[in-house]
Amino acid sequence: GQSLEQPSEVTAVEGAIVQINCTYQTSGFYGLSWYQQHDGGAPTFLSYNALDGLEETGRFSSFLSRSDSYGYLLLQELQMKDSASYFCAVRDQTGANNLFFGTGTRLTVIP
Amino acid sequence: NAGVTQTPKFQVLKTGQSMTLQCAQDMNHEYMSWYRQDPGMGLRLIHYSVGAGITDQGEVPNGYNVSRSTTEDFPLRLLSAAPSQTSVYFCASSYSAGTARGQYFGPGTRLLVL
Repeated sequence: GQSLEQPSEVTAVEGAIVQINCTYQTSGFYGLSWYQQHDGGAPTFLSYNALDGLEETGRFSSFLSRSDSYGYLLLQELQMKDSASYFCAVRDQTGANNLFFGTGTRLTVIP
Repeated sequence: NAGVTQTPKFQVLKTGQSMTLQCAQDMNHEYMSWYRQDPGMGLRLIHYSVGAGITDQGEVPNGYNVSRSTTEDFPLRLLSAAPSQTSVYFCASSYSAGTARGQYFGPGTRLLVL
């Protein structure tokens, strides 16, 4: 089976840096993805790591360590609009780009 | 491009009623999927399709049917609604070339079954 663990809630101050961790268990690993979801909205793709190391996209970075079955999403220069839920996900067993999602981390940015 | 569109946005059903949730995409994506999201949970895969005429089951397929007659459309049918199917339903599509580009999600359909 597959499982993903991430913290349920994180609170951080506007302008600060926050890291959201994700550990996974899966047979057959094809990369770790991160999605953002605002309340009432749809998940939107943020980043994808297939290989070990850091991927940077503007204020967001994502890291993967396959040997540790671990990854994280790093958000810098936090803005109020970053308040949302963040999901890590791995490709599932269907072989059709479908994703198995974690239960999400709710990030609250405070002034 | 409109991306992935879903209708209706909201729906209330009585137990035992049937309905179809519509999903369409205009990006010429080969792959399409349906997920459900329950409060405080991640998304779970219901059914998926790798091309017109080809569908398969995901993690939670019971009580749902799908078909894919065209590349653009992938409707989800609830055969006999049950309160346990109260959820938010998301349709997604992607290229067949891997997850690097991610899945594109529609805005969702919020379903309440009484």
